[in-house]
Amino acid sequence: GAGVSQTPSNKVTEKGKYVELRCDPISGHTALYWYRQSLGQGPEFLIYFQGTGAADDSGLPNDRFFAVRPEGSVSTLKIQRTERGDSAVYLCASSSLGGGPSTDTQYFGPGTRLTVL
Amino acid sequence: GQQVMQIPQYQHVQEGEDFTTYCNSSTTLSNIQWYKQRPGGHPVFLIQLVKSGEVKKQKRLTFQFGEAKKNSSLHITATQTTDVGTYFCAGVSSNTGKLIFGQGTTLQVKP
Repeated sequence: GAGVSQTPSNKVTEKGKYVELRCDPISGHTALYWYRQSLGQGPEFLIYFQGTGAADDSGLPNDRFFAVRPEGSVSTLKIQRTERGDSAVYLCASSSLGGGPSTDTQYFGPGTRLTVL
Repeated sequence: GQQVMQIPQYQHVQEGEDFTTYCNSSTTLSNIQWYKQRPGGHPVFLIQLVKSGEVKKQKRLTFQFGEAKKNSSLHITATQTTDVGTYFCAGVSSNTGKLIFGQGTTLQVKP
């Protein structure tokens, strides 16, 4: 595709439920990033993939959050036992160079707005 | 931990006026990136500054990286309504290599 796509665009769930958020990066981009953006704040780094492996998952807030990228393209962010504090926009970005978030130009997707009731 | 602070949080200007947002880090940065996010949109990469004292221009936008590599600024000359949005700086820590976003400056331009 022409850009990074994310599905769903909106997700409303109940406290305690499990959710999966999908990111489809720009074709050929080896690096993929997940961020979380709360209202009025800048994006907060969650995890960075280089190919299939998580190169840096230090931003994941706790073990309820997990992300995979099994074939080095599409990635899924999984959140177990959702809490109201998980409500935010989850952004995905991809880049082509593979130098990591400190050097690469990142192209962001439209985000998934998650609301936990 | 490392913090990246931006001021002001909000700025309302009349079309044609200039606008500046400032970004300050608690630690030395290896580089700094700037992004623009339109209302309801996603962050779009604008530029990256790497060198101490670096100045880059994109049409009416001027980006500066401080000599000590702990601060940066974005200046817009003669704002237009198309400049509306939130401008984020994102600093890369020299120590950790992590990209930390500031909280953004939201610009409103009155026609």
